[in-house]
Amino acid sequence: EDQVTQSPEALRLQEGESSSLNCSYTVSGLRGLFWYRQDPGKGPEFLFTLYSAGEEKEKERLKATITKKESFLHITAPKPEDSATYLCAVQATGTASKLTFGTGTRLQVTL
Amino acid sequence: DGGITQSPKYLFRKEGQNVTLSCEQNLNHDAMYWYRQDPGQGLRLIYYSQIVNDFQKGDIAEGYSVSREKKESFPLTVTSAQKNPTAFYLCASSYTQGARGYTFGSGTRLTVV
Repeated sequence: EDQVTQSPEALRLQEGESSSLNCSYTVSGLRGLFWYRQDPGKGPEFLFTLYSAGEEKEKERLKATITKKESFLHITAPKPEDSATYLCAVQATGTASKLTFGTGTRLQVTL
Repeated sequence: DGGITQSPKYLFRKEGQNVTLSCEQNLNHDAMYWYRQDPGQGLRLIYYSQIVNDFQKGDIAEGYSVSREKKESFPLTVTSAQKNPTAFYLCASSYTQGARGYTFGSGTRLTVV
């Protein structure tokens, strides 16, 4: 059974204080790993897709990396507008298009 | 602009009532999904459909029903058999080929009154 575990559950940072969110996954064969951002009361917004170990993707202050067992979302010099819940999901080979989601990391960035 | 639209944004249901949540997409995606989101539990799959007139149960299908008569539409009915329907419901769509992420709607918050 595919599993995704995210840590920490919640993270509070001061503006400019860099950190990383963790996504540990167990999957029979990885087709893709996805990161989403979700604001309160809204649907998740796509950030990145990672396909294989060693791959990296960047967007503004966010950088996603992946190994064979986990993925990290690095946040460099965060701003208050980066406050949101960040979701990780995996898509396994042989499961058509289904995604398995983690429970998310709730990030708060304060001034 | 292409996207996925859920309606209504807020919905109130009385005990014993069935309610239907709407989900429409104009992205030409083959697959559509319904998830339920509760605090601390992440997204749980209710039903999904990869082709018109066909759908499969997800992890928590009891008390819910769906239909897929058109590629663009995937309505979810929350029946009176669903014992704890108060939640945030998310619809999503995707292509079925390759490693493709989902596009999500903005969600419907259902409350039992």
